[in-house]
Amino acid sequence: EDQVTQSPEALRLQEGESSSLNCSYTVSGLRGLFWYRQDPGKGPEFLFTLYSAGEEKEKERLKATLTKKESFLHITAPKPEDSATYLCAVQRDSGYALNFGKGTSLLVTP
Amino acid sequence: DTGVSQDPRHKITKRGQNVTFRCDPISEHNRLYWYRQTLGQGPEFLTYFQNEAQLEKSRLLSDRFSAERPKGSFSTLEIQRTEQGDSAMYLCASSLGVGGSYEQYFGPGTRLTVT
Repeated sequence: EDQVTQSPEALRLQEGESSSLNCSYTVSGLRGLFWYRQDPGKGPEFLFTLYSAGEEKEKERLKATLTKKESFLHITAPKPEDSATYLCAVQRDSGYALNFGKGTSLLVTP
Repeated sequence: DTGVSQDPRHKITKRGQNVTFRCDPISEHNRLYWYRQTLGQGPEFLTYFQNEAQLEKSRLLSDRFSAERPKGSFSTLEIQRTEQGDSAMYLCASSLGVGGSYEQYFGPGTRLTVT
């Protein structure tokens, strides 16, 4: 059965303090790994899709990377507005459902 | 550019009542998904439509739950005889479905509280 594990569960950073969030996964036949950002009381907001090991994608202060077993979301010089829950999900190549982890709750303080 | 919309945004109902939620996907998207999210958890897949055909259903979708997408545009999710365990955020998402584009765009959700 597919498994997606995110760590840490919660992370508190000072503004400007770079760090990484981890997403470990096991899936039979990966089509893609997805990162989303979710603010309280709102739906997830799409950030990145990664399709193959070695792929990297960047957007502003965020950079996502993928290996055969895990993905990292690197946050460089975060700002308070980056505070949110970051969700990782995998999609099998045999279907379209996303299987999500529980998320990492990030708090960036000024 | 309108995103995915959901109605209502909040619903409070008494145990045993039926509720129906509506989702309007992004206009050119032919795939539509329903997920459920409880506090501290990631969204859990419920069901998926390609156009009007319901192609995949999760084990989570008990026989009290039914979803439709009659004309391949908007979708409805009905929960019959609600239980307190049905309290959750119900999320709808849509995706383009062509050209190798698999990312799903989520709506704001409908928060259901069963008292």
